[in-house]
Amino acid sequence: KQEVTQIPAALSVPEGENLVLNCSFTDSAIYNLQWFRQDPGKGLTSLLLIQSSQREQTSGRLNASLDKSSGRSTLYIAASQPGDSATYLCAVRPVGGSYIPTFGRGTSLIVHP
Amino acid sequence: DTGVSQNPRHKITKRGQNVTFRCDPISEHNRLYWYRQTLGQGPEFLTYFQNEAQLEKSRLLSDRFSAERPKGSFSTLEIQRTEQGDSAMYLCASSPDNEQFFGPGTRLTVL
Repeated sequence: KQEVTQIPAALSVPEGENLVLNCSFTDSAIYNLQWFRQDPGKGLTSLLLIQSSQREQTSGRLNASLDKSSGRSTLYIAASQPGDSATYLCAVRPVGGSYIPTFGRGTSLIVHP
Repeated sequence: DTGVSQNPRHKITKRGQNVTFRCDPISEHNRLYWYRQTLGQGPEFLTYFQNEAQLEKSRLLSDRFSAERPKGSFSTLEIQRTEQGDSAMYLCASSPDNEQFFGPGTRLTVL
């Protein structure tokens, strides 16, 4: 059974810092990995999707990398801003016929001015 | 707005009552998912449709829960005889293939 772990669970940083959020998974047989952002009381917003054949994806100040063999993905946030404050979740979808992803518990990020 | 929509956004009910939630996916997305999320946890899979067919259902989903997706368009999730442990955020997501797009969720409070 796939298990997804996100470390740290919470992070508080001053504005302007570069951040790395971690996502690890126990079964490397994944089809893709997706990073999401969730604001309090809201739904999830898709940030980046990495296919298993890809090593990284970039969108603006965000860069996500994937190392399947070690079961790890990182989300890099450059020049953090208070508006980046949210919970960041990763989800992995398995290979094979299942379309059901497994989610981590998320990293709660606070960027203070 | 062409995103995933969910109604109602908030629902307060008394224990033992039935509730029904609706999800309207992004047009032409053939896959639709329901999840439940409690505070401090990631979304927990409940059930999944491909078009109108319900293909997978979590073992965690008791027989008090039922979902439908008539004609492969919108979907409803019904909870019968609600319990306090059903209090959570219920999330719907749709997908054309690889990427999932989530709605704003329905917050259920069972008193």
